[in-house]
Amino acid sequence: DGGITQSPKYLFRKEGQNVTLSCEQNLNHDAMYWYRQDPGQGLRLIYYSQIVNDFQKGDIAEGYSVSREKKESFPLTVTSAQKNPTAFYLCASSITGTYTGELFFGEGSRLTVL
Amino acid sequence: AQTVTQSQPEMSVQEAETVTLSCTYDTSESDYYLFWYKQPPSRQMILVIRQEAYKQQNATENRFSVNFQKAAKSFSLKISDSQLGDAAMYFCAYRRRNTDKLIFGTGTRLQVFP
Repeated sequence: DGGITQSPKYLFRKEGQNVTLSCEQNLNHDAMYWYRQDPGQGLRLIYYSQIVNDFQKGDIAEGYSVSREKKESFPLTVTSAQKNPTAFYLCASSITGTYTGELFFGEGSRLTVL
Repeated sequence: AQTVTQSQPEMSVQEAETVTLSCTYDTSESDYYLFWYKQPPSRQMILVIRQEAYKQQNATENRFSVNFQKAAKSFSLKISDSQLGDAAMYFCAYRRRNTDKLIFGTGTRLQVFP
C-alpha cells in the first residue's frame, strides 16, 4: 500500500539531546514537508523539500534540521537549540507543481521533552 | 502574506443535523486551492474536500459541501446528516497554485452528539 510512514510514534527526550524523526514515503512524490502542531495553533511549516538534495526553511525552522538524500526519505532532527520541542510532528508529501494541490500526511510523531 | 482564519474554536451538532464551519483567508493572488482537512482522534490528517479558485461551482463530496465566496474570501464547510464519525478537528488550508506551501488555519473542533 502506498503511503507515508513516520517513526517513532512516541518519543521521549531529555533536555539537551538531539532527536531524529523519520519520514518515509512510497508514493513517488517529489515534495516532502514537516509540520509542527501545537494546541490552538494549527499546523506550522518547519521545512520542506521539492527535490532531492534541496530543502527550504518554513515559518519555524529555528532549532530544526533536515536532509533529503533520497526521494523517499526526509528525516527531521530536533536539536537542543529548539527551545520548546514538545509537540506533535506531521510529515507530508505531494506531487510538485500540482494539479490537485493536496498534501498526503503520515500518522505523526509525538515528541515529549522531559 | 497569506493567512487563513477559523474563528470557531469549537462547534457541536446533533447526529443527523447539519453544521457549517467557517473559514476566511487573505490573499492577493487569484489562482489558488482551498482545502478542508479532517483530523480524527487518531491524528492522521485526511482530505475532506478541495476547491480550485478558478472554478465557480462549489465542490461537493457526498455529505460534505463548500460555500466558496471568492470576492469575500470565504470558504465554509457544510456537513449534512452529521454522523458520530464526523467528530474531529477540521482544518481549513490555502495553497497558491505552483507553490508547494500549504497554509493552515487554527482548526475547529467538531463534536457530534447522539
